[in-house]
Amino acid sequence: GAVVSQHPSWVICKSGTSVKIECRSLDFQATTMFWYRQFPKQSLMLMATSNEGSKATYEQGVEKDKFLINHASLTLSTLTVTSAHPEDSSFYICSARDSFTEAFFGQGTRLTVV
Amino acid sequence: QKEVEQNSGPLSVPEGAIASLNCTYSDRGSQSFFWYRQYSGKSPELIMSIYSNGDKEDGRFTAQLNKASQYVSLLIRDSQPSDSATYLCAVLNYGQNFVFGPGTRLSVLP
Repeated sequence: GAVVSQHPSWVICKSGTSVKIECRSLDFQATTMFWYRQFPKQSLMLMATSNEGSKATYEQGVEKDKFLINHASLTLSTLTVTSAHPEDSSFYICSARDSFTEAFFGQGTRLTVV
Repeated sequence: QKEVEQNSGPLSVPEGAIASLNCTYSDRGSQSFFWYRQYSGKSPELIMSIYSNGDKEDGRFTAQLNKASQYVSLLIRDSQPSDSATYLCAVLNYGQNFVFGPGTRLSVLP
């Protein structure tokens, strides 16, 4: 299957700082990328959907000013968690697809805010 | 009604048995259907895709699709403890939105 690379796989940051997570499609052009958050023993929660060159569409309850998503190219999307707090600690996962295929997931980023 | 529904489980089956996972969807115009497996602490990985009515087999896995009933299932034959995971059903709906179900947790008992 197609490869989606997510970086970093884990990060620890201090409360109040910002963290950027990158998601790259390595062997296809991702017209759509999705960002999910998953708390322990819970389901994937879709945060936002982004199409290349357009503003992201955020799910209800997700603060767009806190979770900044940029999808500037067909192979790269970034999620920036601004002014992170301990309650933002979670497993963040991206997935990507082009117009014709299923979605493929990145490895996920485990964020711990201390 | 949620777009994609699954029983949350846990579904427990003995080793060697057939595990049957079910999924229903609400958008009748949905075109493509996918099953993903997620181990604890890991990202989901694609197991199978199915696009037309009927059965599709891949090794120990069989996906079944019934568009009239808006129902898709995944059968796992000869279940192994290593199959213990959460299985996510995903649907590409008419609006080209990729929608995941909440997942069913499967536990295969040795």
